[in-house]
Amino acid sequence: DVKVTQSSRYLVKRTGEKVFLECVQDMDHENMFWYRQDPGLGLRLIYFSYDVKMKEKGDIPEGYSVSREKKERFSLILESASTNQTSMYLCASSSSGDGYTFGSGTRLTVV
Amino acid sequence: AQSVTQLDSHVSVSEGTPVLLRCNYSSSYSPSLFWYVQHPNKGLQLLLKYTSAATLVKGINGFEAEFKKSETSFHLTKPSAHMSDAAEYFCVVVNTDKLIFGTGTRLQVFP
Repeated sequence: DVKVTQSSRYLVKRTGEKVFLECVQDMDHENMFWYRQDPGLGLRLIYFSYDVKMKEKGDIPEGYSVSREKKERFSLILESASTNQTSMYLCASSSSGDGYTFGSGTRLTVV
Repeated sequence: AQSVTQLDSHVSVSEGTPVLLRCNYSSSYSPSLFWYVQHPNKGLQLLLKYTSAATLVKGINGFEAEFKKSETSFHLTKPSAHMSDAAEYFCVVVNTDKLIFGTGTRLQVFP
């Protein structure tokens, strides 16, 4: 069964910490995405990548960066975590002509 | 720019009665539209998708949606609600390989 795996289901970090959220897909998909989900706001696109070492800003990139050194792995980085980054983070992958697959999500709490 | 608007943030129905979740889209060309469902503490699951074939799209669990270009709508319906349908539902439009989510509709089903 094809999968998108997010390394942590729950994460608690302190304000100012550097936080890494990892996402790995085993479908050889070109496209990978990071979303955050907040009540009443749906899912909002943070960053996406169409290829290795390629990244594009989504709708809410401020305070985040990403890394894609290998095709299967797409990392989301919070350079200096803040309480307003407390949220559910969802990773997804896709390939043209194929569907989209989502990970189970990482619920991040910044205290 | 492509976008979707979910007209109701909450919908409540009794078990056995019809379900209608409303979604309007904005697109400069024929869009690809999806409905996703998210049960409490679960991941996103694809219910159905429209990709310019038949305007009436059948999905899983008895749900269907009708694409109406004249009304720019893609409403989700089910003839008879079940308790297990209680969840959050997202209308989604595809924009250059990126998924753009609506803000979600929470469906409550009462016995």
